[in-house]
Amino acid sequence: AQTVTQSQPEMSVQEAETVTLSCTYDTSESDYYLFWYKQPPSRQMILVIRQEAYKQQNATENRFSVNFQKAAKSFSLKISDSQLGDAAMYFCAYGDNTNAGKSTFGDGTTLTVKP
Amino acid sequence: DAGITQSPRYKITETGRQVTLMCHQTWSHSYMFWYRQDLGHGLRLIYYSAAADITDKGEVPDGYVVSRSKTENFPLTLESATRSQTSVYFCASSAVSGANYGYTFGSGTRLTVV
Repeated sequence: AQTVTQSQPEMSVQEAETVTLSCTYDTSESDYYLFWYKQPPSRQMILVIRQEAYKQQNATENRFSVNFQKAAKSFSLKISDSQLGDAAMYFCAYGDNTNAGKSTFGDGTTLTVKP
Repeated sequence: DAGITQSPRYKITETGRQVTLMCHQTWSHSYMFWYRQDLGHGLRLIYYSAAADITDKGEVPDGYVVSRSKTENFPLTLESATRSQTSVYFCASSAVSGANYGYTFGSGTRLTVV
């Protein structure tokens, strides 16, 4: 079974600085997808960024980018120019098409942004 | 506004009671999912559905029942609530396999079983 591990339960960053959240996963599949979701205090889960495993280029969405290392099975999220609104819990997730399209989630990393 | 709606947002129930959490989506997405979120466990899949009248168990299905008679609705029923089912429940949907494009989530239901 696929597993997703987020080794940092909590992280903090100063406003306007850059922070990187770590995620590793385990799979025997070659074709899969990786995601980062944001859960602010409002509880709403929001898809932040998506990466297709067959693409070598790292995905980018405005201030959010990923460092995808397929061989190492690593998928970290970099947040640049951190803002107070970035404070949230971030979940890394994995999905492939062998398991009815279900996604597997990590346990989450709580990010605090200090003014 | 179109989207995925969960109700109620908060619910307190007593041990042994039956309770149903509602999930409604307006996009006609094929795939729908129920997850529970507990501290230290991330999100764990309870049940999922690939289409109307097609449902299957996830990682933690015991004590839960689902149905999907219509594409847009996917209610989750706790047959006899236990304290261990105190959690935040999320419904999610995806037009195609969620593996490809990720999910759209509802706003969650915080359920407390006393």
